Parts: sequence; structure tokens; C-alpha cells
Amino acid sequence: GEDVEQSLFLSVREGDSSVINCTYTDSSSTYLYWYKQEPGAGLQLLTYIFSNMDMKQDQRLTVLLNKKDKHLSLRIADTQTGDSAIYFCAESSGGYQKVTFGTGTKLQVIP
Amino acid sequence: DVKVTQSSRYLVKRTGEKVFLECVQDMDHENMFWYRQDPGLGLRLIYFSYDVKMKEKGDIPEGYSVSREKKERFSLILESASTNQTSMYLCASSHRQGLQSGNTIYFGEGSWLTVV
Repeated sequence: GEDVEQSLFLSVREGDSSVINCTYTDSSSTYLYWYKQEPGAGLQLLTYIFSNMDMKQDQRLTVLLNKKDKHLSLRIADTQTGDSAIYFCAESSGGYQKVTFGTGTKLQVIP
Repeated sequence: DVKVTQSSRYLVKRTGEKVFLECVQDMDHENMFWYRQDPGLGLRLIYFSYDVKMKEKGDIPEGYSVSREKKERFSLILESASTNQTSMYLCASSHRQGLQSGNTIYFGEGSWLTVV
């Protein structure tokens, strides 16, 4: 079946850039997503990218997709303490509604 | 504002008890999902439903069942709770059109279940 992998933990200093990485195995993935989970809350969609795109930028967020290597990354510029959360990478084959989530990366921002 | 509401945030149940986790969405979504979240394992899909009275097994359905009698409500049932079902349970919903531009899965706040 599909598999999505992420490192479990990342620590950065406030003001630095954060880069969270993700690899996936499903070559038919059409949509790739980044979700954010703040403590004690559900998941919220941060951004998504279609598989025919290489990059997407949205304010402080930059998503890079290397489809050949099945590698997705999320860069957060000027990381703030409010960015501390768990970030989930996810993929979907589109027409089918099932989404496969990664293990989540806990981002710790040090003031 | 879109809303997926899980009625119980924190529950403590005894081994062998029957447990109901309720979820209601107010967005008229066709699809509803139950996930469990465990540290280091991410989110794993238990069951999902595309329509009223319809259900499909996810990746880890053993020990669980579901009920979708009304479009807005999707219940997760643990027939006989066990300690390995201690976890955070997340309900979610989405439009039938799927996860395309502008569509996404909306999540509830989660239900923390402890089985002792």
C-alpha cells in the first residue's frame, strides 16, 4: 500500500527557515498536502500542490516537489514561535477520496 | 465557518466496555472518516463512509465498527474496548468531489480515549 514518511522532530531558532521533508511511495499520487496540527487540536490544511507542479509559494510557505524522487518539502521562512506544531505530509490519488498521512514532524521553535 | 464536532474530547473507559464516539459535521459533506493518531505512527484510517448507510474499511478496522444513519453524523463504535485502543481519535469530512482545488478534508478537534 501507500506509504508516507517524515522525520519525527525538527528544532529551529526563531527567525530561521525551517525545512520539513517527506517521501512517499505511491507513483499515482495526484495531490500532495501539508497539514498543521497545533497542540490539542485537529489538523488544518496549510497548502497543497498538484503532482504536475514543481513548486508552490504562499507567503512564508514554499512547497517543493521532486516527483522523480517522490520527495516533498515544506519550507517556512522567518519561523515564529506560533509555527510550533506537528506538520503532516499527505498524499491522495485525487478522484478517490482516501488520503494517506505521514507520521508527522514535530517542529519546535526556540525563541 | 465550517465545523466538524466531536462530542467527547476526553473519555476514560474500562476494558471490555462498549464505547461510542460521535461526530457531526454541518457542511453537508458526503464523505466522512475516522482516523486514530498515535505518536510516531501518524494518522491511520479506521473506516470511512461515502454516503448514508455506506461504510468502507480503512487500514486498521479490526476492533471497530461504524454507523452512518444520517448524512451529518458518523459514529465510531468500540464493541469491547481494549487497552491498545487508547489513542486520539479524529473525525473528518469532505465533499464527494474529492480533494481537488478548493476542497480538503476538515477535521474535528479530536477525542482522547484512555482504556484502563
